[in-house]
Amino acid sequence: GAGVSQSPSNKVTEKGKDVELRCDPISGHTALYWYRQSLGQGLEFLIYFQGNSAPDKSGLPSDRFSAERTGGSVSTLTIQRTQQEDSAVYLCASSRTGGRDIQYFGAGTRLSVL
Amino acid sequence: EDQVTQSPEALRLQEGESSSLNCSYTVSGLRGLFWYRQDPGKGPEFLFTLYSAGEEKEKERLKATLTKKESFLHITAPKPEDSATYLCAVYGGATNKLIFGTGTLLAVQP
Repeated sequence: GAGVSQSPSNKVTEKGKDVELRCDPISGHTALYWYRQSLGQGLEFLIYFQGNSAPDKSGLPSDRFSAERTGGSVSTLTIQRTQQEDSAVYLCASSRTGGRDIQYFGAGTRLSVL
Repeated sequence: EDQVTQSPEALRLQEGESSSLNCSYTVSGLRGLFWYRQDPGKGPEFLFTLYSAGEEKEKERLKATLTKKESFLHITAPKPEDSATYLCAVYGGATNKLIFGTGTLLAVQP
């Protein structure tokens, strides 16, 4: 597609359940990022994939969060045993080569943990 | 610690009333400053990148400028459709990641 695609757009889950969020980056972009946006907070970096390099996981808030990127394209962010504080908008971005290249964002997944 | 501070948090303007949004940053070795626009329920939309002090970029009613400590987003004769949250982010420093400010919520009333 022409832009970054994320699914689902909204996800409501119960505390303790696992959730998977999907990101389909712009075709040909080698870099992919996940961010979290909470009300009144700036975008919080979670994880960064660049080509075949080991991902930069330094922003993941706990070991309940993990992400993978298959075939250098689609990425899945998994949150295990969700907590109410995980409620936020999860944004995915991609860029052509990483570094200071422009990051293009998807519309995000709004996660609500009840 | 690398940091980005945006002000004001919220700004209400009348249509045609020009103003500026501020983005102050502390980062060692700035390699890029980015402005994004975010509409409700959508992801950030790229506006500008500035790389060095003194650089300026324009797009329609928006003009972004950069100094060694801050960036301004000037909005000339705004229209209601300019209403959005404007985000500033810097790339550089120790982390080599985009660091975002919390944004300025702009409302332009007709």
